[in-house]
Amino acid sequence: QQQVKQSPQSLIVQKGGISIINCAYENTAFDYFPWYQQFPGKGPALLIAIRPDVSEKKEGRFTISFNKSAKQFSLHIMDSQPGDSATYFCAASTNSGYALNFGKGTSLLVTP
Amino acid sequence: KAGVTQTPRYLIKTRGQQVTLSCSPISGHRSVSWYQQTPGQGLQFLFEYFSETQRNKGNFPGRFSGRQFSNSRSEMNVSTLELGDSALYLCASSSAGGYGYTFGSGTRLTVV
Repeated sequence: QQQVKQSPQSLIVQKGGISIINCAYENTAFDYFPWYQQFPGKGPALLIAIRPDVSEKKEGRFTISFNKSAKQFSLHIMDSQPGDSATYFCAASTNSGYALNFGKGTSLLVTP
Repeated sequence: KAGVTQTPRYLIKTRGQQVTLSCSPISGHRSVSWYQQTPGQGLQFLFEYFSETQRNKGNFPGRFSGRQFSNSRSEMNVSTLELGDSALYLCASSSAGGYGYTFGSGTRLTVV
């Protein structure tokens, strides 16, 4: 079964706007939560990742917010640009499983 | 430095045949994982190797197998191909064994 649920499936945002993608998980053993960006014809590329001991991590225009009690985490893309148009995947793993459990992905389109 | 290299990029096989896909990790990375990506199921974990040992295996039939060589290069094999095996097969490598995976561009397998 899907261990990480991701929403929305698709998202359209105007240039300069904020893109928000949400993920939820059930397995409390997860201790690593990365976000990946994938362009057509390419493999996923690691964007940013967070551990459950912090509630927020920011790298440039990308921010992860993490709510341990709600078992949810989200990706915020500030000042979204057309070049951000891609598919975004959240994932989660444990420190012993060595396997990334991916969400189903969000197709983001940033319009000019 | 060079990224994760997967060969071949594209492959067309007939049902019942077998196929071998190759992955060269980033130099110095000893952990290699394989994932299957399809539109319906998304990204699913196949297996992970570290220092030639399989440490974890996903929920795939025994027709899917892999191995890792002493130079960390990895191969995966799918025997008795089925139409449903058509997918993008992604290899990822990490130095930390479980975190910070870098993905290759994948091998697109089409079974006819």
